[in-house]
Amino acid sequence: DGGITQSPKYLFRKEGQNVTLSCEQNLNHDAMYWYRQDPGQGLRLIYYSQIVNDFQKGDIAEGYSVSREKKESFPLTVTSAQKNPTAFYLCASSISNRPQETQYFGPGTRLLVL
Amino acid sequence: GENVEQHPSTLSVQEGDSAVIKCTYSDSASNYFPWYKQELGKRPQLIIDIRSNVGEKKDQRIAVTLNKTAKHFSLHITETQPEDSAVYFCAAIPFDNYGQNFVFGPGTRLSVLP
Repeated sequence: DGGITQSPKYLFRKEGQNVTLSCEQNLNHDAMYWYRQDPGQGLRLIYYSQIVNDFQKGDIAEGYSVSREKKESFPLTVTSAQKNPTAFYLCASSISNRPQETQYFGPGTRLLVL
Repeated sequence: GENVEQHPSTLSVQEGDSAVIKCTYSDSASNYFPWYKQELGKRPQLIIDIRSNVGEKKDQRIAVTLNKTAKHFSLHITETQPEDSAVYFCAAIPFDNYGQNFVFGPGTRLSVLP
């Protein structure tokens, strides 16, 4: 299960607060992704990055922001604009942005709103 | 864009029986179809995948079949065991010049009853 890690495991957010979820990988993967998982729903893509200093919006990017300053790191910030942030957040990486590359997932961060 | 449907949403089988989960997709350009298994509280992990140039792939007790004409693919688990109990997600990847965007199905919760 090693290679891609997320922290913290649980995160609590107060109303109006921005919080940042960490995702780190030591697999030398170029591509990284953030997904949101809600009960009874599949994984929905928030943002993805094909290479350092580049990232693209996914299907549900509103209220989120990312950065990719280093190859191994792809932090996700949940801003106060995200009105329903309670969910399980999964980070993933793949060798490259070529189609059909396997994605490897981190252990996830569960975000709860106080 | 691509839309992936998955059925059933829940499935209970007796240990030793077979389980079948079916996914349909909408974009005929999709050409890669992975299946992920997510045990309770853990990260999704790839268990098998199929590419559009083959109709069936098997790995021990797990098999996946693809019908490109009908735009559906299925996961087959034979001789089910309690450790097969998990949520299973299918995904499809539409052709995309700018990198891959998995589109996941909503998941199937499989319970194997001893």
